[in-house]
Amino acid sequence: EAAVTQSPRNKVTVTGGNVTLSCRQTNSHNYMYWYRQDTGHGLRLIHYSYGAGNLQIGDVPDGYKATRTTQEDFFLLLELASPSQTSLYFCASSDAFRRERGTEVFFGKGTRLTVV
Amino acid sequence: GMPVEQNPPALSLYEGAESGLRCNFSTTMKGVQWFQQNHRGRLITLFYLAQGTKENGRLKSTFNSKERYSTLHIKDAQLEDSGTYFCAGDTNAYKVIFGKGTHLHVLP
Repeated sequence: EAAVTQSPRNKVTVTGGNVTLSCRQTNSHNYMYWYRQDTGHGLRLIHYSYGAGNLQIGDVPDGYKATRTTQEDFFLLLELASPSQTSLYFCASSDAFRRERGTEVFFGKGTRLTVV
Repeated sequence: GMPVEQNPPALSLYEGAESGLRCNFSTTMKGVQWFQQNHRGRLITLFYLAQGTKENGRLKSTFNSKERYSTLHIKDAQLEDSGTYFCAGDTNAYKVIFGKGTHLHVLP
């Protein structure tokens, strides 16, 4: 099964702080995604990427930057963290070479971020 | 409207009962994925469907891309089935969009 590893698993930071969430997948998937999960909203897409150096804007991008440094690594950056960004963050990957038939998405275990 | 509308938002079932969850899509999806989220927050894939029907034990899922809906049917509900269930649609724009989830509570 595809492996997606997130770090850290838990993080507490102060308002205005600088936070980087890391995600690594070792399955040569081309697409990677960052989501946040909040009560009443399900999972919402922040940013996604189809390869190293590429970045696509998701549905809730405000306050977040992201960078895909390699095929394997996708980072989510909060440069001025706010309490509204307290959430459970998920990274995911998929292999879109079978795009015409749809693709399954594989998720990491999540990172719980608290901004105080 | 919402790209993925999931119903019901919450559901209570007695052990042994059965019921269905449904997702309606506002646009054509290339596939749908159903997840169960456990009490630790872990997302567990139940099914991925590009079309048709799949069955696994007490669970069965159907995806009709033309009619833009998918269903998840649970039969003989067990206490361990409690949790939150999500559907996610795989769009033509390479985005995977989630419904808001169904909170399932199985009662003894």
